[in-house]
Amino acid sequence: GAVVSQHPSRVICKSGTSVKIECRSLDFQATTMFWYRQFPKQSLMLMATSNEGSKATYEQGVEKDKFLINHASLTLSTLTVTSAHPEDSSFYICSARAGEKGYTFGSGTRLTVV
Amino acid sequence: QKEVEQNSGPLSVPEGAIASLNCTYSDRGSQSFFWYRQYSGKSPELIMSIYSNGDKEDGRFTAQLNKASQYVSLLIRDSQPSDSATYLCAVGGGSNYKLTFGKGTLLTVNP
Repeated sequence: GAVVSQHPSRVICKSGTSVKIECRSLDFQATTMFWYRQFPKQSLMLMATSNEGSKATYEQGVEKDKFLINHASLTLSTLTVTSAHPEDSSFYICSARAGEKGYTFGSGTRLTVV
Repeated sequence: QKEVEQNSGPLSVPEGAIASLNCTYSDRGSQSFFWYRQYSGKSPELIMSIYSNGDKEDGRFTAQLNKASQYVSLLIRDSQPSDSATYLCAVGGGSNYKLTFGKGTLLTVNP
């Protein structure tokens, strides 16, 4: 139980284009999802907290106009990287709090911007 | 700013030995503590969670929490080569449920 499905697992896009990453909670309702970014050999850095039906809360230094987050339902949150550039290349991971089961993570999306 | 510190390693142990991983945190208001295992290129998977002082055992894994010392550890008994991974310490607290992660300790178990 408490599974989060994340897609795509890997994406390569051209500089200047936008990429959408989806995270779905399959067997529970996720009122809150967390979006992380991880650079090679670095830890997970929280980018934003996504709340169902309301605006996301962004961490300091994260551009909300560049990283658009939508959490329109209790089972789906999306992160759109707009006008992507090579420095946005990273591993993006979503996570949701599944009650007493703690936090569960999606499988991650490897974004490469060329 | 909340901080979680881990020894980055690498920590190398022989197969069958005990691996000891340590973590300290700065926020005394922290309420929940987690150990995650992350294989290269994969997302973290939960190993242990602990919420109160003392030890918590699950199979070969034992988590230890000392809130007074702001210290949490993970012991892995009978280490196996498949345990080779990066271990992330994560600390949470407050109503926003945010987690703060350490940089992780790379563990290598040698056959």
